[in-house]
Amino acid sequence: NAGVTQTPKFRVLKTGQSMTLLCAQDMNHEYMYWYRQDPGMGLRLIHYSVGEGTTAKGEVPDGYNVSRLKKQNFLLGLESAAPSQTSVYFCASSYSRVTEAFFGQGTRLTVV
Amino acid sequence: AQRVTQPEKLLSVFKGAPVELKCNYSYSGSPELFWYVQYSRQRLQLLLRHISRESIKGFTADLNKGETSFHLKKPFAQEEDSAMYYCALRSGGSYIPTFGRGTSLIVHP
Repeated sequence: NAGVTQTPKFRVLKTGQSMTLLCAQDMNHEYMYWYRQDPGMGLRLIHYSVGEGTTAKGEVPDGYNVSRLKKQNFLLGLESAAPSQTSVYFCASSYSRVTEAFFGQGTRLTVV
Repeated sequence: AQRVTQPEKLLSVFKGAPVELKCNYSYSGSPELFWYVQYSRQRLQLLLRHISRESIKGFTADLNKGETSFHLKKPFAQEEDSAMYYCALRSGGSYIPTFGRGTSLIVHP
C-alpha cells in the first residue's frame, strides 16, 4: 500500500520556468490538499480539493494552479516559477472531513 | 477564523527530562485537535488526536477548552523523540486542517 506518493522528490528550476508536481493516492480518499512548508512558517495551505473535478483556494494560492481530473491524482502547477516559491511541498489526503490526513514524502523545490 | 499558535520554535531538553510542547488555538466552536510529528527527512504522520484520548510513544495531550490549549507532554524524553511537531486544528465549519508553525524538539543525550 503506497499511500500518498509525490513526484518528483527534488527539483531545481530557473526563474520563469514552469513545472507540475504530481500527488497520487491509492486510498480512495475524497479530500486532497497541497501545503508548502517554510522555516518558521509551518505548513500553509495552497489549494485543496473535496472531490474529483473540484478545487478551491487555500491560504497562499497565488502563483499556483491545481487540477483534480481523477480522484486519485491532485496536480500542482507553477506557471512561472519565482524564487519565493522555493519550499518543500507536501501533498495530503483524507477519506472524509472527520478522518486524519495522510501525507506524502514531500517535494523539495528550489527556484534559482 | 481558526488559528493555531505554537509559541516555541525550538525546545531543547536532555534525555530523561520532561517535555511539554505548547499549543493554543482560537476557535469559537468545538474543535478537533491533532498532533503531527515529522522526523528528519520523513513525511508528517499523525501522532495523536484529542478524541482518541490515547498515549502514543509515551506522549499525551489533553484538550483544555477553558484555556483553549492542547499541549503535548511526555514525562521522560528520549533521543528518538527529536523531531518537528505540529499542532493542527480542524473545525466543524471548515474541515480543512489548520497547522501551527511547528516546534522543533531536540533531545540531547
